[in-house]
Amino acid sequence: QQQVKQSPQSLIVQKGGISIINCAYENTAFDYFPWYQQFPGKGPALLIAIRPDVSEKKEGRFTISFNKSAKQFSLHIMDSQPGDSATYFCAASNKAAGNKLTFGGGTRVLVKP
Amino acid sequence: GAGVSQSPRYKVAKRGQDVALRCDPISGHVSLFWYQQALGQGPEFLTYFQNEAQLDKSGLPSDRFFAERPEGSVSTLKIQRTQQEDSAVYLCASRPPGTSQGAFFGQGTRLTVV
Repeated sequence: QQQVKQSPQSLIVQKGGISIINCAYENTAFDYFPWYQQFPGKGPALLIAIRPDVSEKKEGRFTISFNKSAKQFSLHIMDSQPGDSATYFCAASNKAAGNKLTFGGGTRVLVKP
Repeated sequence: GAGVSQSPRYKVAKRGQDVALRCDPISGHVSLFWYQQALGQGPEFLTYFQNEAQLDKSGLPSDRFFAERPEGSVSTLKIQRTQQEDSAVYLCASRPPGTSQGAFFGQGTRLTVV
């Protein structure tokens, strides 16, 4: 059972544009929602995270929007740059379950110069 | 060290061979996780330690997979009698105490079973 569904699978955006990645979850016990960025041959790197008591969090060019009632959250990358080209994973975890992460399937983002 | 360190970076094993993958977490991180990442997919949880205690091993795919963290720092993931479907990147992550931060991942070990 895929508990975190991520879309789209891939995304092409022009430099300076906005990249938007969406995730939906099923388990209402999840209490932490991070996004990870992964470059080829590297491990996932924590980008930004949000907890369900907040509807939006912004760090630099990256913003998470969170809709608790719809069980959805999204990542917006503003002013996308070629260096942002990577695979992005949403994830969710639950403290009571040991904070193990359940990942979405990933979105491959390509930013064209 | 500055980050989570995993070794070896790459491992080629013949089918049926046993392998051992090492993870050295960030100093002071009591929580340690192992994940398996198949090509083109998101990481999937294997097992979790808090200090030396293995609190959750629900993600281990078979009894050929075994993990340990005897002194609460370095961890080893062992796969016995490797099979082709075990080919994947094995990621280790550690997490600091408290609930304000996420997990930090190593670069992974790419295992290829031939």
